[in-house]
Amino acid sequence: KQEVTQIPAALSVPEGENLVLNCSFTDSAIYNLQWFRQDPGKGLTSLLLIQSSQREQTSGRLNASLDKSSGRSTLYIAASQPGDSATYLCAVPDSNYQLIWGAGTKLIIKP
Amino acid sequence: NAGVTQTPKFQVLKTGQSMTLQCAQDMNHEYMSWYRQDPGMGLRLIHYSVGAGITDQGEVPNGYNVSRSTTEDFPLRLLSAAPSQTSVYFCASSYVRSSTDTQYFGPGTRLTVL
Repeated sequence: KQEVTQIPAALSVPEGENLVLNCSFTDSAIYNLQWFRQDPGKGLTSLLLIQSSQREQTSGRLNASLDKSSGRSTLYIAASQPGDSATYLCAVPDSNYQLIWGAGTKLIIKP
Repeated sequence: NAGVTQTPKFQVLKTGQSMTLQCAQDMNHEYMSWYRQDPGMGLRLIHYSVGAGITDQGEVPNGYNVSRSTTEDFPLRLLSAAPSQTSVYFCASSYVRSSTDTQYFGPGTRLTVL
């Protein structure tokens, strides 16, 4: 059964720093991997989707990488800003297209 | 275009009470789903629907009922609330059920069962 893990559970960094969030999964036979952002009191917003055939996907200051063989994905945030403070979740679909979720990393960017 | 809306935002119930969490979307999406989110855990799928009149169970369906009489609405019913159902509930929708279709989420309902 696929399991998705995100470590650390929380991360606090000063504004302007580059940072990396981690996501690991146990079954490398995935269709894709998605990164979401969750703001307090709001729903989740899809940030990036990496197909299983891709190694990277970029959107603005965000860059997500995927290494299926090692069961890992990273979300790189460049030049962090206070507005980046949120919880970031990763998810992979199982064979029935249901998303299996990590518990998330709560990111705090200190001004 | 309101996207996915959920009501209420907050709810407190006593053990044994029943209630319905409302979810609606105005994007003509066929696929809708309900998740619960608990501290330290990923979202878990409760029920889902691939179209009006079709529903199916997810990972944690016990204690919950759903129906899909229209494309727009997908209510979640708690039959007899238990403290273990204290959680944040999210409704989501997408055009179809696929591994690549973007899911749109509602703002969530925070439920406390005493």
